[in-house]
Amino acid sequence: DTGVSQDPRHKITKRGQNVTFRCDPISEHNRLYWYRQTLGQGPEFLTYFQNEAQLEKSRLLSDRFSAERPKGSFSTLEIQRTEQGDSAMYLCASSIGTGGVDEQFFGPGTRLTVL
Amino acid sequence: AQSVTQLGSHVSVSEGALVLLRCNYSSSVPPYLFWYVQYPNQGLQLLLKYTSAATLVKGINGFEAEFKKSETSFHLTKPSAHMSDAAEYFCAVRKQGGSEKLVFGKGMKLTVNP
Repeated sequence: DTGVSQDPRHKITKRGQNVTFRCDPISEHNRLYWYRQTLGQGPEFLTYFQNEAQLEKSRLLSDRFSAERPKGSFSTLEIQRTEQGDSAMYLCASSIGTGGVDEQFFGPGTRLTVL
Repeated sequence: AQSVTQLGSHVSVSEGALVLLRCNYSSSVPPYLFWYVQYPNQGLQLLLKYTSAATLVKGINGFEAEFKKSETSFHLTKPSAHMSDAAEYFCAVRKQGGSEKLVFGKGMKLTVNP
């Protein structure tokens, strides 16, 4: 098991373009989380899934953002009509989901730069 | 709503000196508390967590933290800093019995001088 992986690691795009990021959680982890981290700040929660169900969405997740986890394994985060303010590190995490205080294991992140 | 405050953004210590990173929390109900470390170009890694059992929590790499309800604090300490401890440290809070989301502080960059 190699941990949580994210692809791509870096993405540069022009304002107005759509981008999609992928996260592969640790196998058998049924919970998956997305966070966003801007420079000088801690990670901010965006959304999380239990299996394929999206259980919570932050108000930060505007209608330009959509996340999916279609088969309860990998997840995608899509940003439509990117804006310069979307430039950030997008972090994915997963946890085993026992119902206790499970550790969230983080991936290395996808750094998005919107020009 | 839960929140954590990490005052300042940077701490510098000498190798072998005490490391003390402060975290104060705000929560309407007893929280769960966490410390994460982020090394350059790596993902966040859990150092330790408080889950309302023992108030003194021991974590990896010689770190520990003490939950003090009266002070709403969860400060991270290590008796003797090592060069490899240089990283960014984040305190986080999660509501008991509620949302799974973690609410992070702004982080503290630790520099260890030889």
